[in-house]
Amino acid sequence: DAGVTQSPTHLIKTRGQQVTLRCSPKSGHDTVSWYQQALGQGPQFIFQYYEEEERQRGNFPDRFSGHQFPNYSSELNVNALLLGDSALYLCASSPGLAGVRSYNEQFFGPGTRLTVL
Amino acid sequence: GQQLNQSPQSMFIQEGEDVSMNCTSSSIFNTWLWYKQDPGEGPVLLIALYKAGELTSNGRLTAQFGITRKDSFLNISASIPSDVGIYFCAGQTMTTDSWGKLQFGAGTQVVVTP
Repeated sequence: DAGVTQSPTHLIKTRGQQVTLRCSPKSGHDTVSWYQQALGQGPQFIFQYYEEEERQRGNFPDRFSGHQFPNYSSELNVNALLLGDSALYLCASSPGLAGVRSYNEQFFGPGTRLTVL
Repeated sequence: GQQLNQSPQSMFIQEGEDVSMNCTSSSIFNTWLWYKQDPGEGPVLLIALYKAGELTSNGRLTAQFGITRKDSFLNISASIPSDVGIYFCAGQTMTTDSWGKLQFGAGTQVVVTP
């Protein structure tokens, strides 16, 4: 049973560039959430996708956008990169049915380390 | 920024000792989760709590959902070297616009010495 997978593992970009990160959820999960984790801090919620639509969004600018595909995999796009966007980007998957007890049990991938120079 | 206050920030303990950490919030939560993160890895879910007063164990780990719904506690008994890592609390508030939106604490760094 494959867990959450993310690609690439590491990425180096320069200011102003655009980046796309990818995530495949755990088998049986249809909801994908994205988090940003700065060094020494806990993950910060970016947004969540369910049924190919953004269902929840955290306090991140519009430069951060996403997409979910019919096979439940997801992409995170960041435009006009800033130095402050350097972080570990984590993808988490969970069962999508709100109200189900395990709804909030989010399982994380290994993350993509983004460095902006 | 972080809305959960997690303490202690770090702890150095000897192998075999028990570890306790806690997390508090100004908001009422309907779900508390505890994760462990190793260097270069994503957080791994340890325990999930859904009911005020609930006490749940996972091996040597025990977590409790506080009665006020604003706090949670994690205990590790008889620590071993592989308990080293950063432990995060996470929770979801009771508002419908927070479904699936987990808030995380800043983490407790645990170091175990032989």
